[in-house]
Amino acid sequence: GQQVMQIPQYQHVQEGEDFTTYCNSSTTLSNIQWYKQRPGGHPVFLIQLVKSGEVKKQKRLTFQFGEAKKNSSLHITATQTTDVGTYFCAGEGDNYGQNFVFGPGTRLSVLP
Amino acid sequence: SQTIHQWPATLVQPVGSPLSLECTVEGTSNPNLYWYRQAAGRGLQLLFYSVGIGQISSEVPQNLSASRPQDRQFILSSKKLLLSDSGFYLCAWSDEWGEQYFGPGTRLTVT
Repeated sequence: GQQVMQIPQYQHVQEGEDFTTYCNSSTTLSNIQWYKQRPGGHPVFLIQLVKSGEVKKQKRLTFQFGEAKKNSSLHITATQTTDVGTYFCAGEGDNYGQNFVFGPGTRLSVLP
Repeated sequence: SQTIHQWPATLVQPVGSPLSLECTVEGTSNPNLYWYRQAAGRGLQLLFYSVGIGQISSEVPQNLSASRPQDRQFILSSKKLLLSDSGFYLCAWSDEWGEQYFGPGTRLTVT
């Protein structure tokens, strides 16, 4: 079945440094979503990418969908302590009726 | 606006006891509903999803079951809990665009 992997599993950065997490699917995706989960909280939707090669920005966050629609990345510029949390990607397969499969997440720690 | 409720927030249950977690959604009609489990420090595992009343699909075979007695009510149950059932259970609903909105979650500890 469809598998979604994320790297790295953990990332510790100094405040102000950049951060990138990568998401890879074993199968072609119709779209991909990104979620952020603060420690002790529940996942919160960040964005959805649908088109091949799509790039979307939200302030310091840049999301990219690969040309082959099998991978995606989330890049945070100049991290802040408020960026702390686990970032999950969730990919929806391009076969009818497939649900989103979540990656294992990347846990980001930001040192002040 | 739409809201999603889950209860209880935390639960400690002995092995072999039954389980019932409830999730309700307000402000939307005929949502897709989902139950996820998140083991400590791990990602989200889809357990069940429902596209309508009485329609339940299971993603992972286990001793859990789900029911949808009403359009905006989703229940996760077990007849006999196992130690491995401990985790953070999240209910979610999705709109027509596929964006998922998660409830606050139930932290279940099976002792």
